[in-house]
Amino acid sequence: GAGVSQSPSNKVTEKGKDVELRCDPISGHTALYWYRQSLGQGLEFLIYFQGNSAPDKSGLPSDRFSAERTGGSVSTLTIQRTQQEDSAVYLCASSAVNTEAFFGQGTRLTVV
Amino acid sequence: GQNIDQPTEMTATEGAIVQINCTYQTSGFNGLFWYQQHAGEAPTFLSYNVLDGLEEKGRFSSFLSRSKGYSYLLLKELQMKDSASYLCAVYASNYQLIWGAGTKLIIKP
Repeated sequence: GAGVSQSPSNKVTEKGKDVELRCDPISGHTALYWYRQSLGQGLEFLIYFQGNSAPDKSGLPSDRFSAERTGGSVSTLTIQRTQQEDSAVYLCASSAVNTEAFFGQGTRLTVV
Repeated sequence: GQNIDQPTEMTATEGAIVQINCTYQTSGFNGLFWYQQHAGEAPTFLSYNVLDGLEEKGRFSSFLSRSKGYSYLLLKELQMKDSASYLCAVYASNYQLIWGAGTKLIIKP
């Protein structure tokens, strides 16, 4: 596609449920990033994939969070047993080597 | 550790000039980016500096000094639509992007 695509754009879930957020990066981009952003706050790094290297998971806030990237393309961020503090906008970005990162429009997650 | 510092908030007047500073300490350096983010939207790319000096792009310019770990974004002829957050980001040694917390720029008429 022409840009980074994220789905769903909005997700409302009950506390304790699992959710999956999807990111479809720009074709050919080897790097893929997941961030979380709460209202009025900066970007909180979650996880970074670069080609076939082991992902940098150092930003995942707890073991309820996990992510995978299949075939070096589409990525899924999974949050298990969601909590109210997980409510935020989840942003995905992709980039080629040494070029700017392009962001998707994000998934707004609300845990009720 | 890796750290990027930028002011939390700045206020400027429509038609004026504003400079937003960014200082960084990262493990390795492969370039510095500036992004603009309007409320409720995703960040969008503004500029990329990898060598020392000034890069000019219309009303926006970005400067880099690698020896000082310092960059600034200069916005001229400010317009109300420039009200946004401005994010500084550095490509560290493993090409991971390290982000500052952003500077909220408020433009007053």
